[in-house]
Amino acid sequence: QVTLKESGPVLVKPTETLTLTCTVSGFSLSSARMAVSWIRQPPGKALEWLAHIFSNAEYSHSTSLNSRLTISKDASKSQVVLTMINMDPVDTATYYCARMFWDYSSGWFFDYWGQGTLVTVSS
Amino acid sequence: QSVLTQPPSASGTPGQRVTISCSGSSSNIGSNSVSWFLQLPGTAPKLLIYRNNQRPSGVPDRFSGSKSGTSASLAISGLRSEDEADYHCATWEDSLSGWVFGGGTKLTVL
Repeated sequence: QVTLKESGPVLVKPTETLTLTCTVSGFSLSSARMAVSWIRQPPGKALEWLAHIFSNAEYSHSTSLNSRLTISKDASKSQVVLTMINMDPVDTATYYCARMFWDYSSGWFFDYWGQGTLVTVSS
Repeated sequence: QSVLTQPPSASGTPGQRVTISCSGSSSNIGSNSVSWFLQLPGTAPKLLIYRNNQRPSGVPDRFSGSKSGTSASLAISGLRSEDEADYHCATWEDSLSGWVFGGGTKLTVL
């Protein structure tokens, strides 16, 4: 059974750094056909992709947030970590991690999502 | 403003067929596969359609997807009250080298 679970602070202050952890089970972060993305959703707004990381540790960030994001993984712990610096109230959102699966016919797509964690940025 | 354009709302009565559109461009929908997600209130998105028209196991065949050029559509037939949710489209954007989503469509079952 594939599961992903986000963990981290529920409240951060402006200018602080946010660190979120995605702990996965039911698949390996070392599998070439699996990757993990972070996606966020401000209250009442659209989903926004933030970053993803592949089994070989290659990664990509959203160009609009590139300088603020760091994504890494520890396959031995089945964890993917997202760090976002200089948090602002506009970063208040539910943060999701999602598995990306690669299929020869389909390419990459998001097939499983974590439950999400609401992060509020406020002083 | 989202890269992919969806109508903010849609509605239908039980048993009806409704469609939700997702409009993009040549650098996203025009050259990549589209996925659709259902999001019930207060829950995480769930995969409904991938590769434009493929359903994961467990998704009823009432849900179908299609793509033509730079637009995609999700159709729901035999509408049920439990289909009331937000629906999101997503695809890869070549010019940004990243994933993009639609703004989401809130479906109301009248």
